[in-house]
Amino acid sequence: SAVISQKPSRDICQRGTSLTIQCQVDSQVTMMFWYRQQPGQSLTLIATANQGSEATYESGFVIDKFPISRPNLTFSTLTVSNMSPEDSSIYLCSVGFYSGNTIYFGEGSWLTVV
Amino acid sequence: KNEVEQSPQNLTAQEGEFITINCSYSVGISALHWLQQHPGGGIVSLFMLSSGKKKHGRLIATINIQEKHSSLHITASHPRDSAVYICAVRSSGNTPLVFGKGTRLSVIA
Repeated sequence: SAVISQKPSRDICQRGTSLTIQCQVDSQVTMMFWYRQQPGQSLTLIATANQGSEATYESGFVIDKFPISRPNLTFSTLTVSNMSPEDSSIYLCSVGFYSGNTIYFGEGSWLTVV
Repeated sequence: KNEVEQSPQNLTAQEGEFITINCSYSVGISALHWLQQHPGGGIVSLFMLSSGKKKHGRLIATINIQEKHSSLHITASHPRDSAVYICAVRSSGNTPLVFGKGTRLSVIA
C-alpha cells in the first residue's frame, strides 16, 4: 500500500504567477503520475514522472508549462507556470507499483486562478 | 484510444436502495478500475478487475470482457456512499489509464 501526501490542498492564485505542487509518498515507487481534472471533467494525464530522467508528457502538455521534478523515489513536484483561469483545476498525483495493480492517489490540489 | 462511457451521469437514491453504475469501453483492456472521489477531491481505489466479479463489504464490481462492460453495485446504500464514482481502464502493459467522466451519486437519508 501507499500513503500519498499532496500539498497545497487548495490555493487561489493570481493570473501570470506559478505554483508548485508537492507529492510525497511513504514508500519508494518507480513511476509517479500527474493528472489534471478540470471542473466537471474526467481526469487527464499530464505526465509520467520518472526518477533520474525527464518526465514523459502527454499530447497537449509541455514541459515549459508544467515542469516536473523527480529527485528521488518518494517525491515529485509539478509546477503550473504562468497560470491563467483555464488552469483552474484539481491536480492529482498518483502512483502504481506495477501494471494493473491497485493505484493510489493523493488528496488533490484544488487551484483557482483569478 | 479507448473511449470510456459511464451511466448514469447523476444518480439520487434513497438510503437503503440498491444502486448500479455502468461503464462501457471501446477497446480490449488489461485492467479496469473503479474509483471513488469525495467532494474534497481525493480519490480512493475501490476495485481492480481483469475478469469476473469482486466483492468488498456492500460493494460489488463485475466485468464482462466480451461485452466490454463493467458494473459497480452498492447494496443497502447509505448517505456516506455519496461521492463521484469513476471507471478507468488500461489497454495494456504500462499504457496510461483512460478515465470515464464519473457518476455523481447522492444518497438521501
